Parts: sequence; structure tokens; C-alpha cells
Amino acid sequence: NAGVTQTPKFQVLKTGQSMTLQCAQDMNHNSMYWYRQDPGMGLRLIYYSASEGTTDKGEVPDGYNVSRLKKQNFLLGLESAAPSQTSVYFCASSYLRQTGGNNSPLHFGNGTRLTVT
Amino acid sequence: QKEVEQDPGPLSVPEGAIVSLNCTYSNSAFQYFMWYRQYSRKGPELLMYTYSSGNKEDGRFTAQVDKSSKYISLFIRDSQPSDSATYLCASGGGADGLTFGKGTHLIIQP
Repeated sequence: NAGVTQTPKFQVLKTGQSMTLQCAQDMNHNSMYWYRQDPGMGLRLIYYSASEGTTDKGEVPDGYNVSRLKKQNFLLGLESAAPSQTSVYFCASSYLRQTGGNNSPLHFGNGTRLTVT
Repeated sequence: QKEVEQDPGPLSVPEGAIVSLNCTYSNSAFQYFMWYRQYSRKGPELLMYTYSSGNKEDGRFTAQVDKSSKYISLFIRDSQPSDSATYLCASGGGADGLTFGKGTHLIIQP
């Protein structure tokens, strides 16, 4: 049972380069999320997708874009990487979107460690 | 002020001790509460989930919520070195979805 799979596991970019982080889930979850985790800052939501074809900004969306063309996949793009985007990126999914009375727990992947030099 | 506050630690205790991990939250709209465990270089994994005030027990783990004081606790009995990890509390039910604390780093000394 794979759960949430993130690729690549590690990546080093030079400032200005672009890349796409990939996330796939096999739990038939409706909602997917991208977080970044930095020392002393905790998990911060970048973007989320309540359902296939929809996306919304989270707490720290600047410098990122996302795509949810298929229910099982959620892509995070960095158009022009900056050193401030050095972080560990986690993808997560849940059966329902986390709002109001919906209380579906999040299931996380094991992260992509990105360094921008 | 963050909506979910957690002491970052590290908290170091000897093997076999009872561990108490705590969070406070400020948003009265929060209705459900979770604890995640995160091992080094891994993603967070759901450990406990509770929807109301009171206690919920699962093996050596007990989650406790006091909505009147907005206080969340996780107790670990008979702690093991394998419990060494970062523990994240999370609260949800408001308009913005799930809010995470920054995590407490726990070290169980053999």
C-alpha cells in the first residue's frame, strides 16, 4: 500500500532554474495539499486542491504554481527557484477537504528535500 | 500569535518514563484535534485523532483535550527509544482547515 508518493526525494537547483515536484496518491482521496517545512517555522500550507481540477492558495503561495489534472496527482511547480525556497516539501491527501466540520485526517508523503544555491 | 502553540523542546526523558506533550490553541472554532509523529527525514504520520473533550486511549498513547482551557495533551506510557521523534499537534474545524503546531522534539534515552 503506497499511500502518498513524492518524487524526487532530493533535488538541488541553481537560482533561476525551474522544476516540478510530483505527488501521487492511491487512496482515492479527493483533496490534496502541498506544505513546506522549515526549521522553527513548522508546516506551512502552500497550495491545496479540494477536488480534481480545482486549486486554492494557502499561507505561502508566492513563487509556486500547482496543477491537479488527475484526481491521484498533484504537481508543485517552481517557476524561477530562489534560495528562500530551500526547504522540505511535503504532499498530503485527505478524503475530504479540511474545512468547517470536515475532519478527514491528512496522510503525508515522505517529502522532497530541495536545495536552491 | 500562532493559533496552535507547542514547546519545541528538545524534551529528553529516560526509557520507561511517562511522557507528557502539550499544545495550546486559540481558535474556539476548532472542533477536532490530532497528533502526528514525525521521524527524522520522514513525513508526519497520524498517531491520534479526537473530536471532543476528554481522553482517548490507544495502546501506550493517550490523547487528552480540554476545550474549556484550549489545551491538548499527548501522554506516552512506558516510553521506548523508538518513540524518539518530533510530535506535531494539529487542530481543525475553522474556516482555514488544519492548523499545525511547530512540533516538539522528543528524545527517549536508553
